[in-house]
Amino acid sequence: AQTVTQSQPEMSVQEAETVTLSCTYDTSESDYYLFWYKQPPSRQMILVIRQEAYKQQNATENRFSVNFQKAAKSFSLKISDSQLGDAAMYFCAYRSYQGAQKLVFGQGTRLTINP
Amino acid sequence: NAGVTQTPKFRVLKTGQSMTLLCAQDMNHEYMYWYRQDPGMGLRLIHYSVGEGTTAKGEVPDGYNVSRLKKQNFLLGLESAAPSQTSVYFCASLNRGGMDTQYFGPGTRLTVL
Repeated sequence: AQTVTQSQPEMSVQEAETVTLSCTYDTSESDYYLFWYKQPPSRQMILVIRQEAYKQQNATENRFSVNFQKAAKSFSLKISDSQLGDAAMYFCAYRSYQGAQKLVFGQGTRLTINP
Repeated sequence: NAGVTQTPKFRVLKTGQSMTLLCAQDMNHEYMYWYRQDPGMGLRLIHYSVGEGTTAKGEVPDGYNVSRLKKQNFLLGLESAAPSQTSVYFCASLNRGGMDTQYFGPGTRLTVL
């Protein structure tokens, strides 16, 4: 079974600075998806960024980018120019290509932005 | 197009009571899922369905039952609620074969006293 680990329960960063959230995963599959979700106080799950394992190029969405290291099974999220609205819980998640497309989540990292 | 909706948004139960959470999606998605979210544990899969009339157990199915009688609806039932079932419940849906992410509902906060 696949597992996802986020080893940083809490992180904080100064507004306008850069922060990196860590995620590692374990799988025996070669093809899969990885995701980062943001959960603000409203509880809504918001997709931040997606990476397909067969793509070597790291995904980027505006101020959000990932460092995908397939051999090391690492998938970190970098947030540049942090803004107050980035404060939230962030979840890393894994999804197989095959089967029922279930998501396996990490424990989450609570990100605080200091003004 | 409402996406994924959940009813109710909040509920308080006493131990031993029963209730049903309703998830509805209007995107004609094949796959639907129920997750629970607890502090420090992320979201964990309770049950899922890959089509109308089919359901399967996820990681934490004990104490829950589900039904998918209509493609657009996925019901989660608690027959005899326990304090350990206090949690936030999320429903999600996905189009079969889609490379997209799962679409999540707004969540239901359930407290069992």
